[in-house]
Amino acid sequence: GAGVSQSPRYKVAKRGQDVALRCDPISGHVSLFWYQQALGQGPEFLTYFQNEAQLDKSGLPSDRFFAERPEGSVSTLKIQRTQQEDSAVYLCASSLSSGQTDTQYFGPGTRLTVL
Amino acid sequence: GDSVTQMEGPVTLSEEAFLTINCTYTATGYPSLFWYVQYPGEGLQLLLKATKADDKGSNKGFEATYRKETTSFHLEKGSVQVSDSAVYFCALLTSGTYKYIFGTGTRLKVLA
Repeated sequence: GAGVSQSPRYKVAKRGQDVALRCDPISGHVSLFWYQQALGQGPEFLTYFQNEAQLDKSGLPSDRFFAERPEGSVSTLKIQRTQQEDSAVYLCASSLSSGQTDTQYFGPGTRLTVL
Repeated sequence: GDSVTQMEGPVTLSEEAFLTINCTYTATGYPSLFWYVQYPGEGLQLLLKATKADDKGSNKGFEATYRKETTSFHLEKGSVQVSDSAVYFCALLTSGTYKYIFGTGTRLKVLA
């Protein structure tokens, strides 16, 4: 079956531009997560949705980062006025339910480069 | 706070060699432990997991045992193949949360 998909796979932005990154979770998955993976590092948690509700946004690094999941399926991570330090791979993951030990299934990521 | 420490890479082995990638953790409570693998150009894939002490996770010839007394979850494989070349991430999920805490990853290169 289809896994988690993300688009675009690569994005180059000029400093100051706004970007929008899309995540299509596995169909029927209740929980959706965004992570940021800097070069040579492990992924770091950004935010968590349960259906359409954003229950945790504690990992978003600044108010330039905004995520939404309006219909409880597709999610978009938006970064306003991009800075060079935003360059990273942005990973989306989904899990079947809201259980804390549920396995999270990851997408291939979007590599964002800010020039 | 909770954390995961992995051995630094790259680890370079010849085909059919024995693999160990060390992982230790610090956590409150009783976390679940995971190994994820990232092949070039692909997303993270769950390799194996263990949810309580003394559990052994295994998949594709890889094994890891949850050792509470040494707070470790070392990844092992008896005979690596070139196709095992990837980056391996150890991660924990603290009981009652949904945020993975990842290590920095260990790159494995297997030479034919």
